[in-house]
Amino acid sequence: GAVVSQHPSWVICKSGTSVKIECRSLDFQATTMFWYRQFPKQSLMLMATSNEGSKATYEQGVEKDKFLINHASLTLSTLTVTSAHPEDSSFYICSAGLGDSTEAFFGQGTRLTVV
Amino acid sequence: AQRVTQPEKLLSVFKGAPVELKCNYSYSGSPELFWYVQYSRQRLQLLLRHISRESIKGFTADLNKGETSFHLKKPFAQEEDSAMYYCAPSSGNTPLVFGKGTRLSVIA
Repeated sequence: GAVVSQHPSWVICKSGTSVKIECRSLDFQATTMFWYRQFPKQSLMLMATSNEGSKATYEQGVEKDKFLINHASLTLSTLTVTSAHPEDSSFYICSAGLGDSTEAFFGQGTRLTVV
Repeated sequence: AQRVTQPEKLLSVFKGAPVELKCNYSYSGSPELFWYVQYSRQRLQLLLRHISRESIKGFTADLNKGETSFHLKKPFAQEEDSAMYYCAPSSGNTPLVFGKGTRLSVIA
């Protein structure tokens, strides 16, 4: 089956620094990937749609200058949290679809803690 | 606007009892409906989709377009069914719109 891998699984960083999270489709190519954010005991909230070779599409209320998304290849999308603050601490999850399938495959998530 | 409503935040049932997790949606066009499950410390994974009409792990879900509902049912709950369940519609290669999720707790 389709496998999506995120790296790192968890990261702790100091306030004011930037953190990069990678999302890879291991056995398929994904022209589109999606980034979600999940707060404790809450549902997944879509942050942005990452499009290979073009700019990401951000959801309303998500700061594009703070959450930089790059989708430079068909198997890799990155999310960079710039100038991180404690309120950015969360669980970040990416997903990708396989071709025209509507099924989504999810990464294992990255837990970011900003201290 | 696209919206998914899962009215129960937490549902506790005894082992062997029937369980129904409710889902109502508001979505333009004719979306495909999914149930995703997240077991403790595991990634989100597909449980079932309405077009396949399958029974996965004893769960079934029927799409009722008139009521715009896609309730998830299982006749006899098992302890291993304890997890977070998310209902989500999708259309084409669009992002999934998740409900708030229902935490199912099956009590031995």
